[in-house]
Amino acid sequence: GQQLNQSPQSMFIQEGEDVSMNCTSSSIFNTWLWYKQDPGEGPVLLIALYKAGELTSNGRLTAQFGITRKDSFLNISASIPSDVGIYFCAGQENNNNDMRFGAGTRLTVKP
Amino acid sequence: DGGITQSPKYLFRKEGQNVTLSCEQNLNHDAMYWYRQDPGQGLRLIYYSQIVNDFQKGDIAEGYSVSREKKESFPLTVTSAQKNPTAFYLCASSISGFTGELFFGEGSRLTVL
Repeated sequence: GQQLNQSPQSMFIQEGEDVSMNCTSSSIFNTWLWYKQDPGEGPVLLIALYKAGELTSNGRLTAQFGITRKDSFLNISASIPSDVGIYFCAGQENNNNDMRFGAGTRLTVKP
Repeated sequence: DGGITQSPKYLFRKEGQNVTLSCEQNLNHDAMYWYRQDPGQGLRLIYYSQIVNDFQKGDIAEGYSVSREKKESFPLTVTSAQKNPTAFYLCASSISGFTGELFFGEGSRLTVL
């Protein structure tokens, strides 16, 4: 099935720096979601996007639904050590199609 | 508190044995899912169920089986036919089939010895 291309695979940054990651698809999606997974835990939803062009913030996190409906990005501003984890994008082509996940971006924040 | 509970968190199995992973939710969600997670890969769908007594195969259903006899419960059996069962297994639920957000359990790590 359709998979998402998520980049970068991993990032090593200094505390306080901003972070940006993105996902692209070859097909049009109606929904984009961003999840964070801590080690040994299940993913937790950060931001959900349902409309092309939509820009949504959740604290220091901002995500956008690309205008072409084939991409989305997630920004984290002023990173802190607890931002460490794996960030997954997920997309859905239309209702009743399963959710597709990117391979994840592993974020390491150095104090 | 509402949520999804998976058990056991860690499980060791000998080759040739079947093992069942439990998933229970008290969110009153209609839809439930099982995903497999391997290092460096995205989540891959094993099975999903949009309603009680009905379930559908996902991308990697071979070697797995499920049942959905109750709305709250969606157990996954990893059979001896699954060639490479060592992985992290995640159960999720949503209000209805593949709409909106998925809520995940904490996962079960299966290791085959």
